[in-house]
Amino acid sequence: DAGITQSPRHKVTETGTPVTLRCHQTENHRYMYWYRQDPGHGLRLIHYSYGVKDTDKGEVSDGYSVSRSKTEDFLLTLESATSSQTSVYFCAISRDFEEPQHFGDGTRLSIL
Amino acid sequence: LAKTTQPISMDSYEGQEVNITCSHNNIATNDYITWYQQFPSQGPRFIIQGYKTKVTNEVASLFIPADRKSSTLSLPRVSLSDTAVYYCLVEEGILTGGGNKLTFGTGTQLKVEL
Repeated sequence: DAGITQSPRHKVTETGTPVTLRCHQTENHRYMYWYRQDPGHGLRLIHYSYGVKDTDKGEVSDGYSVSRSKTEDFLLTLESATSSQTSVYFCAISRDFEEPQHFGDGTRLSIL
Repeated sequence: LAKTTQPISMDSYEGQEVNITCSHNNIATNDYITWYQQFPSQGPRFIIQGYKTKVTNEVASLFIPADRKSSTLSLPRVSLSDTAVYYCLVEEGILTGGGNKLTFGTGTQLKVEL
């Protein structure tokens, strides 16, 4: 399996608190992605990165920010978490755009 | 942004061929279509990718008609272990940086029985 590690794997927090999820890769792939997965909606792209310090918004980017200061790490931040952001979050990597993506095992985030 | 539509669920029996279709409008000539498989509590896993006609690998085939308004994932001789959710993905954009769009379908739950 591709070397992708998501942390934490599970998190429970309260509304209004900041939350940061980390995606770490050992494949030196250029592209990294953050998705959320909710029942009835499938996978929806939040943000993606096409290089260090290069990021772009996805379909559901409101309320989320990202940073990529080095090739191997892509951080997703919820500045002030809301209950609507309760979801399973997946990180993915690909060698380039339109190359197959490899996914992490997900982070289950619950916001009470 | 392309809109993708898949059947919510499909049932099959072991040994049968299963075809799952994804409808996608507004797809450009060079946009790729990719299919993923997902088991419970795991991330999606790549199955196959193409952008025209037919592609085949060791586990599946992908058929894309000339109008490219749909694509069909074909799984030959399914087994119980193929029970999973299958997603199509349309990737639109350029290769060199931002401005790209990705749209996953809502997924098709395939159930394979004996």
